[in-house]
Amino acid sequence: DSGVTQTPKHLITATGQRVTLRCSPRSGDLSVYWYQQSLDQGLQFLIQYYNGEERAKGNILERFSAQQFPDLHSELNLSSLELGDSALYFCASSVSSGRSRETQYFGPGTRLLVL
Amino acid sequence: GENVEQHPSTLSVQEGDSAVIKCTYSDSASNYFPWYKQELGKRPQLIIDIRSNVGEKKDQRIAVTLNKTAKHFSLHITETQPEDSAVYFCAARFSGGYNKLIFGAGTRLAVHP
Repeated sequence: DSGVTQTPKHLITATGQRVTLRCSPRSGDLSVYWYQQSLDQGLQFLIQYYNGEERAKGNILERFSAQQFPDLHSELNLSSLELGDSALYFCASSVSSGRSRETQYFGPGTRLLVL
Repeated sequence: GENVEQHPSTLSVQEGDSAVIKCTYSDSASNYFPWYKQELGKRPQLIIDIRSNVGEKKDQRIAVTLNKTAKHFSLHITETQPEDSAVYFCAARFSGGYNKLIFGAGTRLAVHP
């Protein structure tokens, strides 16, 4: 167990809908990262937050947004869902913003299925 | 651009043999290279990492080597066991991106008894 938690574990929804995925980082970690893993694909970096502020962006669609709250948990919002958004969404956390070379610890993921 | 290439995409070995997975990266300023193991349906778990100031690191049956000049790094697993079967991802931390990691496409390792 990495100490990173994600809810829900599974999510089934329809095209056009909006969902929110939640992540709680390890105790003491200030940075949260979101990744998308499609079937048999690698890990695509979406976005990073540090202590409530956005720090880095990857291949995140405009239909997707994220935020990090004062208690450091983060939410990833996916809207106008399409079939191709079906994937595993992972959250990871690390101690700080990454000025040093830090380990990222992954949560168990949320499996999203868009029908 | 930011890119990490990983080879091979699949690797099949007999139990007890060695396995080698290779990655190349594009950013010469990259300074941190972790390797993650992902079992089916599970989270990626860090198995070993290497910083740019060393050329090799070992942890029991696992070792990683780094060649900064050639911009490539490799994972070596010796005396493979069936429980080593998983997908392995290499990653590189790119400069200017805080702790942003770019992952390779993954290698599916199968160890046959």
